[in-house]
Amino acid sequence: KAGVTQTPRYLIKTRGQQVTLSCSPISGHRSVSWYQQTPGQGLQFLFEYFSETQRNKGNFPGRFSGRQFSNSRSEMNVSTLELGDSALYLCASRLSSTGQSYGYTFGSGTRLTVV
Amino acid sequence: DAKTTQPNSMESNEEEPVHLPCNHSTISGTDYIHWYRQLPSQGPEYVIHGLTSNVNNRMASLAIAEDRKSSTLILHRATLRDAAVYYCILRDLTGANNLFFGTGTRLTVIP
Repeated sequence: KAGVTQTPRYLIKTRGQQVTLSCSPISGHRSVSWYQQTPGQGLQFLFEYFSETQRNKGNFPGRFSGRQFSNSRSEMNVSTLELGDSALYLCASRLSSTGQSYGYTFGSGTRLTVV
Repeated sequence: DAKTTQPNSMESNEEEPVHLPCNHSTISGTDYIHWYRQLPSQGPEYVIHGLTSNVNNRMASLAIAEDRKSSTLILHRATLRDAAVYYCILRDLTGANNLFFGTGTRLTVIP
């Protein structure tokens, strides 16, 4: 079956703009999480959605937001982009929101460059 | 989240076993031990997880110390494709579902 699909793969934006990234989870997976990866901070959790509801949020400013649709697809939005937002943004899906029996499946990420 | 400590880097010869250590001295009774790896230019990939007993799957084995304060990921025969950053992560059964990635161990496989 198809893996986690993230679009676009690469993106270049100007400081001050806003950006929307998309994630299609594995079919049947209802939990979607987002992570930011930078050389300095490593992988950091942004937020998690399950059944269109945000279940958990990391320590990021309000400029970072997300949503999940009824088909489990998710989008994340970053407004008023800053140079420091340049990163690889990773989406991960899981079958369920709870329980330890399921690992996360990650997409290949969207590489965002802010200039 | 309880923290883990891993060596920054390790090397292994191809086709030899690799033992990747992880210390988690503050682990709680409800923490599961998860391992993920990240190959170059890819997102992290789930490898294995366990609670108390040793675990085996097609990718690797996980050996958990009796006091659970440390664990070891075992790759039985390293291949070039196993060159990646390996992350040891604790997940609380009762807590939030997010993964806390540390700095991981960068494994280099020498042909």
